[in-house]
Amino acid sequence: QQQVKQSPQSLIVQKGGISIINCAYENTAFDYFPWYQQFPGKGPALLIAIRPDVSEKKEGRFTISFNKSAKQFSLHIMDSQPGDSATYFCAASRYGETSGSRLTFGEGTQLTVNP
Amino acid sequence: EAQVTQNPRYLITVTGKKLTVTCSQNMNHEYMSWYRQDPGLGLRQIYYSMNVEVTDKGDVPEGYKVSRKEKRNFPLILESPSPNQTSLYFCASGLVAYAEQFFGPGTRLTVL
Repeated sequence: QQQVKQSPQSLIVQKGGISIINCAYENTAFDYFPWYQQFPGKGPALLIAIRPDVSEKKEGRFTISFNKSAKQFSLHIMDSQPGDSATYFCAASRYGETSGSRLTFGEGTQLTVNP
Repeated sequence: EAQVTQNPRYLITVTGKKLTVTCSQNMNHEYMSWYRQDPGLGLRQIYYSMNVEVTDKGDVPEGYKVSRKEKRNFPLILESPSPNQTSLYFCASGLVAYAEQFFGPGTRLTVL
């Protein structure tokens, strides 16, 4: 049972374009939504995270948009660069709860940015 | 250097031969977890541990065991590996589940 669904599975964008990756979650108790970036041969690394008290969070060229009523959140990469080519994972967990809390990941999106 | 280490990085074994993949972190993190990564399925959690001696099942625990006797170590044990456990395995640690998770470099396991 996949509690976090991610799309698309793969994405090809031209340099300078906007990359958009979407995630949907089922558990309304989730209130912490990070995005992880993984380069080939490496483990994933935290890119940016959001909590539902805000609808958008921006860090440089990366923006998370959050829609609580739709139970969806998305990652936007502005001015995409070849160096952004990687696999991106969304994830979700319950914030502040230590008992039984765990991080659930989406299926991943392989992003390729062509020069 | 703050890091999560895993060993071995690559392993080819045969069905039924018990193996252990070690994981160690030097950041004094309470929370540790194991994931397997398969194409199209993303990162699926196998087991996680909130603290020493506290472990719990993730999404795909069948065929795996873990132990957390020390805060820094969280080994993954495959008592009788099968070909469907061929995968890329990652160990991760964080202060808690909802904090930044630091991943190890991965272990590529092939079970023949």
